[in-house]
Amino acid sequence: QQQVKQSPQSLIVQKGGIPIINCAYENTAFDYFPWYQQFPGKGPALLIAIRPDVSEKKEGRFTISFNKSAKQFSLHIMDSQPGDSATYFCAAAGNTGKLIFGQGTTLQVKP
Amino acid sequence: KAGVTQTPRYLIKTRGQQVTLSCSPISGHRSVSWYQQTPGQGLQFLFEYFSETQRNKGNFPGRFSGRQFSNSRSEMNVSTLELGDSALYLCASSSQVGRTEAFFGQGTRLTVV
Repeated sequence: QQQVKQSPQSLIVQKGGIPIINCAYENTAFDYFPWYQQFPGKGPALLIAIRPDVSEKKEGRFTISFNKSAKQFSLHIMDSQPGDSATYFCAAAGNTGKLIFGQGTTLQVKP
Repeated sequence: KAGVTQTPRYLIKTRGQQVTLSCSPISGHRSVSWYQQTPGQGLQFLFEYFSETQRNKGNFPGRFSGRQFSNSRSEMNVSTLELGDSALYLCASSSQVGRTEAFFGQGTRLTVV
């Protein structure tokens, strides 16, 4: 019940493409869903986050879609660039500060 | 505004030794969480401190401990190191406990030999 399942494990797209990363959760007590971006040798950087009272949130080229009934959420990266090549993690949290992370998706954007 | 600072960045220790890692949160943030990141297990929650009190603990053995000081700086300690403790240890800073933005430091890379 504490797991967050993330897919795919890896993803390769051409520059300008729209990679989509999906996450699913079981625990209905989760009500905060952030996405993190991590480059090699760096800590995860908060990208965007959503709460269950909205179905979509956009920040720049990054969009989160949230389906509360299906207990799923996804990250879309519009007009992807080689600089977006990184590992992306979804996470979920309830009423504590404990983040439960997905296993990560390694994204490669080819020029 | 300065980010989350973790020291040291790299450590090499021998099995059986103990290690202390340090984390200075973003100024004004009072919540500090620790995570272990490994290729096999991913990012796993260790514990969270707020106002010098441990608020939450993950499923790690008692060899892993932490504390928080009155200035919100935090330390984590691992005693009797095992090879499997080799990992990137990450500290995250939040303004309060619970569903708020958490900002990570660059981590401390611990290698146990």
